[in-house]
Amino acid sequence: DAMVIQNPRYQVTQFGKPVTLSCSQTLNHNVMYWYQQKSSQAPKLLFHYYDKDFNNEADTPDNFQSRRPNTSFCFLDIRSPGLGDAAMYLCATSREKAGLDGYTFGSGTRLTVV
Amino acid sequence: GEDVEQSLFLSVREGDSSVINCTYTDSSSTYLYWYKQEPGAGLQLLTYIFSNMDMKQDQRLTVLLNKKDKHLSLRIADTQTGDSAIYFCAEEVRGFGNEKLTFGTGTRLTIIP
Repeated sequence: DAMVIQNPRYQVTQFGKPVTLSCSQTLNHNVMYWYQQKSSQAPKLLFHYYDKDFNNEADTPDNFQSRRPNTSFCFLDIRSPGLGDAAMYLCATSREKAGLDGYTFGSGTRLTVV
Repeated sequence: GEDVEQSLFLSVREGDSSVINCTYTDSSSTYLYWYKQEPGAGLQLLTYIFSNMDMKQDQRLTVLLNKKDKHLSLRIADTQTGDSAIYFCAEEVRGFGNEKLTFGTGTRLTIIP
């Protein structure tokens, strides 16, 4: 089945140690998104790629970076994780606009910072 | 503004109907969505409604949209234990050609046996 796959499902990292989360998709969608969801909160958009064009949200900290080497893969890099970065990180894709298809979400990566 | 608000909790007896409410502020929304999130999982698209519609029914799910009041609701008929989850409404907000979803805070639905 076409889907959005996030690895790993759970990630533990040390305070200040760079960490990378990965997302892959078999849907051939043009747009890929990264959301941060803290406990009991709404998912918050960090940034998205429209094809190769990177779009950062105004309030996304510089500590968060992203790479999209090809259509299928997108990475979230956290350069120096702090305790406040512990959250569920959700990757999503959409064909063009959200429209009728909505977004397709991965299962998420839960990041713990120790 | 892009605020989407929901009640945090709802408890319903098994077999009854659940009604989850949402209010939004951006009048330029095109599509409004309902997503379901089970524990430890990602978001699953349940249904959507186009902003020029008043109602949409899909099996046990009924979505009502009051565009004047910017109020959206999701009714789940014959609620089952498998419906226990957090339900997020979301609006698609247009911004300089880059549409994005803005989510509400989520409503945790608990089923009482």
